[in-house]
Amino acid sequence: DAKTTQPPSMDCAEGRAANLPCNHSTISGNEYVYWYRQIHSQGPQYIIHGLKNNETNEMASLIITEDRKSSTLILPHATLRDTAVYYCIKAQGNTGKLIFGQGTTLQVKP
Amino acid sequence: EPEVTQTPSHQVTQMGQEVILRCVPISNHLYFYWYRQILGQKVEFLVSFYNNEISEKSEIFDDQFSVERPDGSNFTLKIRSTKLEDSAMYFCASSEERGSGTDTQYFGPGTRLTVL
Repeated sequence: DAKTTQPPSMDCAEGRAANLPCNHSTISGNEYVYWYRQIHSQGPQYIIHGLKNNETNEMASLIITEDRKSSTLILPHATLRDTAVYYCIKAQGNTGKLIFGQGTTLQVKP
Repeated sequence: EPEVTQTPSHQVTQMGQEVILRCVPISNHLYFYWYRQILGQKVEFLVSFYNNEISEKSEIFDDQFSVERPDGSNFTLKIRSTKLEDSAMYFCASSEERGSGTDTQYFGPGTRLTVL
């Protein structure tokens, strides 16, 4: 089962933290959670990924629950340029194939 | 910062014609992918490629499609006889390795294919 569940849309005020949830209750032990985003029709942009520990990079933080059934992507200070579709994806083991869902459309408002 | 590039950015073709979409993956990457996105729909996996062979392909990737790495830098997607329903954005991606946690794929900007 390759699917994750995300809310279809969210709003966030500029300068505030954007918290994007993802449910991946069927994740298996060796599957990572990847987050990408797509701005307009541009190519998907890698944001962050993790296995079980929380991760942080220059773009975002990823919080994974202890049971690994869900995670939250945090954009600490959202800007208008963060308006995009955000995808939460379970890595497909060793296939390398990414299966995109509909994602969450994040609208950052002034 | 290294990036995946794709040419052309927009290709218009007549139904039944052959098209070749080109990609230059990140130079030290070994795994290459094609995805497509029909307007308003999800990004869909087409094919993965490693060591001059197809590793995996989706049911979309039928006999009309082929991929090739003709030299050390380019990775191409050929559609032999285009159909109206092939109109889409085509994204190339590459990764350094393949496997959970290590196969972060980096995508190119895409080629918009319009079939008339």
